Amino acid sequence: QVQLVQSGAEVKKPGASVKVSCKASGYTFTGYYMHWVRQAPGQGLEWMGRINPNSGGTNYAQKFQGRVTMTRDTSISTAYMELSRLRSDDTAVYYCARALAKIDDYWGQGTLVTVSS
Amino acid sequence: QSALTQPPSASGSPGQSVTISCTGTSSDVGGYNYVSWYQQHPGKAPKLMIYEVSKRPSGVPDRFSGSKSGNTASLTVSGLQAEDEADYYCSSYAGSNNLVFGTGTKVTVL
Repeated sequence: QVQLVQSGAEVKKPGASVKVSCKASGYTFTGYYMHWVRQAPGQGLEWMGRINPNSGGTNYAQKFQGRVTMTRDTSISTAYMELSRLRSDDTAVYYCARALAKIDDYWGQGTLVTVSS
Repeated sequence: QSALTQPPSASGSPGQSVTISCTGTSSDVGGYNYVSWYQQHPGKAPKLMIYEVSKRPSGVPDRFSGSKSGNTASLTVSGLQAEDEADYYCSSYAGSNNLVFGTGTKVTVL
């Protein structure tokens, strides 16, 4: 069965970087785009961008351009999202999602990133 | 890219219907037939309920239906049940390989 297992919760200081992983299993990792979506406490969903695991090509939301980097390691079927220059308003649950908004849509369990001094 | 506009809340009694709107622009909702709807229960990941405006993934009850007119998409939940109480989010393709979510609607079953 399809599984997307994300890394554990993180606490970071303002200005630091965080790298969240998303390990895929149960399907061909390179066959579907992987998206990243975040949700601040009590707030709505926010699309951050996506990566093509086959080519490594990325598309980022304009808001995160220059601060986000999405990568993948096909040898271990894992996608990564790194966000730099963290601010307090980056505190959120970060989700990876396969084939977002398509019939094969599937989400990870989420990773809480807390930014606090 | 601005978030799509949804009403903050909607409600209905068990067995009734509730319709949630999702308003965008001709650059997103109105320009593409790629509107999706998600259901999210507290502390859980979102679940896809509708994709490509009106298609239902396997396992989603046919009580959930989607439609679109111009720059506004809608999700209708018929025959409301207690387990339908959740937050609902629309999303739309927004061109140039971008995607945008709605502001979210909290549905309460009275």
